[in-house]
Amino acid sequence: AQKITQTQPGMFVQEKEAVTLDCTYDTSDQSYGLFWYKQPSSGEMIFLIYQGSYDEQNATEGRYSLNFQKARKSANLVISASQLGDSAMYFCAMREGENTGFQKLVFGTGTRLLVSP
Amino acid sequence: DTGVSQDPRHKITKRGQNVTFRCDPISEHNRLYWYRQTLGQGPEFLTYFQNEAQLEKSRLLSDRFSAERPKGSFSTLEIQRTEQGDSAMYLCASSLVVRGLDEQFFGPGTRLTVL
Repeated sequence: AQKITQTQPGMFVQEKEAVTLDCTYDTSDQSYGLFWYKQPSSGEMIFLIYQGSYDEQNATEGRYSLNFQKARKSANLVISASQLGDSAMYFCAMREGENTGFQKLVFGTGTRLLVSP
Repeated sequence: DTGVSQDPRHKITKRGQNVTFRCDPISEHNRLYWYRQTLGQGPEFLTYFQNEAQLEKSRLLSDRFSAERPKGSFSTLEIQRTEQGDSAMYLCASSLVVRGLDEQFFGPGTRLTVL
C-alpha cells in the first residue's frame, strides 16, 4: 500500500532564508508521481510542484524545487528565499501508476511552515 | 473566476440530518475527485468521476454517502443521517491530463460541522 510520511509537524524559517520540508514515501509500484501542495488558512489546496518517478532531473518551479532521491524514497521540498506569504500547511502526496489512468492521491499529514520577519 | 468552486463553504447541521454539497469543476476538466480532510490530517480520497461515470469509491464512503455527476459537469456529494464523525472539510478537485500530467486543481472546500 502507498504511504507518505512527513515527520516534521512544524517548521520555522526566517524571511529570505531557504527551508527544506521532508517527505518519504513507500510504494511497490515502479511508476508513480509525487506532488507538493500548499494549504493556506483559507483551506484551498494549491499545487506547487510535481516529480515523476522516471524523471531524471529534479523538478523546479520558481522558488520551489523538489529534491528527489529515488533510492532513499524521499521527495523533499526546498523553498528558497522564504516569504511571509509562504506560511501555510504543506502536504506531500503520491499517485501510483501512469498519468493517463485514474489514480487517487495519497497525502501525508502535512508540515506547518511559519515564516518570521 | 475559472477555478473549482464549492458550495456551501460552511455547513452546520444536527446529527441525523441530511446534507448535500456541490462542486463545480473547471469547465474543460473531465475528471472530478472528492476528498475528506479531518483536523490535523491530509486529505483522504473518497470517490472519482470520469465524465459522468463514477469509477472508483473508497471504503471510507459508507452507504450513507452518495455522489453524482449528472451530465459530466457539476457534482454533488450527499451525506444521509449525518454523524459527528462526519465533521470534516470536504474537498473537490478536477483535472485534465495535459502533456501527460494529471494535475488536480482543488476547490476551497466545504467545512461540515455535525452537532
